[in-house]
Amino acid sequence: GENVEQHPSTLSVQEGDSAVIKCTYSDSASNYFPWYKQELGKRPQLIIDIRSNVGEKKDQRIAVTLNKTAKHFSLHITETQPEDSAVYFCAASSQPYFGNEKLTFGTGTRLTIIP
Amino acid sequence: DGGITQSPKYLFRKEGQNVTLSCEQNLNHDAMYWYRQDPGQGLRLIYYSQIVNDFQKGDIAEGYSVSREKKESFPLTVTSAQKNPTAFYLCASSIVVGLAGGLSYEQFFGPGTRLTVL
Repeated sequence: GENVEQHPSTLSVQEGDSAVIKCTYSDSASNYFPWYKQELGKRPQLIIDIRSNVGEKKDQRIAVTLNKTAKHFSLHITETQPEDSAVYFCAASSQPYFGNEKLTFGTGTRLTIIP
Repeated sequence: DGGITQSPKYLFRKEGQNVTLSCEQNLNHDAMYWYRQDPGQGLRLIYYSQIVNDFQKGDIAEGYSVSREKKESFPLTVTSAQKNPTAFYLCASSIVVGLAGGLSYEQFFGPGTRLTVL
């Protein structure tokens, strides 16, 4: 089955600087890569996703890049703000079924923005 | 935050007892999922169901059971066979969303149930 590794497990960044979180996956058939954000005491929420036919996707201060050859993808957050402090999870899909994907999640990165 | 609910928020049980966690959604989503969240281990898939009356084992199904008799409901039973049941349990449902750049498969999560086995 799919295995997703995520690094680093914790990351502290000065407010206004950029943060990068990296994930690698094992199944070359995976073709969907979402990122979820979980604020303290809250449920995970999708913040951005990318499919394998795209190398990069951007949404305001958040971007995701995908390298299918190397089987890794990264989340980039620019101009970080205190509200970016949260745990971020990457995921990969390895078994499309009726259009709804079974996701394998990484272990999470706790991002702390230092004011 | 509405649409998918889990109850109760906190649950305490004695060792050796089975316990059932509730998950209900009114989003008309076909697929539903159960995850277990432990510190440092991310979200691990227990069971998932793509349609009513059908479900599949996830990566850590041992000691758990589910049913999907209605589209809106996907209860999870933690049995006495689960060796380390104390954890935070998250339920999710999903739908395919057609966007300009392609399809997106967003999973919507419930608020979670924290189970403590004493």
